[in-house]
Amino acid sequence: QVQLVESGGGVVQPGKSLRLSCAASGFTFSTYGMHWVRQAPGKGLEWVAIIWYDGSIKYYADSVKGRFTISKDNSKNTLYLQMNSLRAEDTAVYYCARDLWQETYKFFDYWGQGTLVTVSS
Amino acid sequence: EIVLTQSPGTLSLSPGERATLSCRASQSVSSSYLVWYQQKPGQAPRLLMYGASSRATGIPDRFSGSGSGTDFTLTISRLEPEDFAVYYCQHYGSSRWTFGQGTKVEIK
Repeated sequence: QVQLVESGGGVVQPGKSLRLSCAASGFTFSTYGMHWVRQAPGKGLEWVAIIWYDGSIKYYADSVKGRFTISKDNSKNTLYLQMNSLRAEDTAVYYCARDLWQETYKFFDYWGQGTLVTVSS
Repeated sequence: EIVLTQSPGTLSLSPGERATLSCRASQSVSSSYLVWYQQKPGQAPRLLMYGASSRATGIPDRFSGSGSGTDFTLTISRLEPEDFAVYYCQHYGSSRWTFGQGTKVEIK
């Protein structure tokens, strides 16, 4: 069965960096695009970034562009999110999610359980 | 940039009642890319509907979706205790994914 397990969250000071990981299993990771989505405490969902199945294309939300980098290692079945110059407003639970493009449809069909990032001095 | 506005913010209903949730887009969007997710407290979101009206695998038929253009609706025909949750609509366009702010369906 498909499993996505995030790790790497924690408390970090403003301006510092953190790298999140998402370990994938139960499917052929190298053939799927992957997303990061975040949710600030008590708030709604915000899409963060996507990476194409082969890592060739990446898109970011304006709120993180230039500070965050998404990557994937298909040999390790792992998705990453490198977060630099962190701000208080980056505090959130970060979810990884699998991208599915089926016929004319696009959606996130599986999600991890999330990892909490707290940016605070 | 497309903005999705969900209404109402909170829906207070009793088990067995019908729930009607709205998702309105700031401009016409493709229904192929309109998706609904359900999120329960402390859990990750779960895919409910895609293509505005297609149920995801394992989703019971009391859930239905409809709409086109700028107005989309998620309907739960008869609320079960496990349906009380927050529901988000989502749209894909121009290499960006946008979520609505969510509708909370709570027990009255």
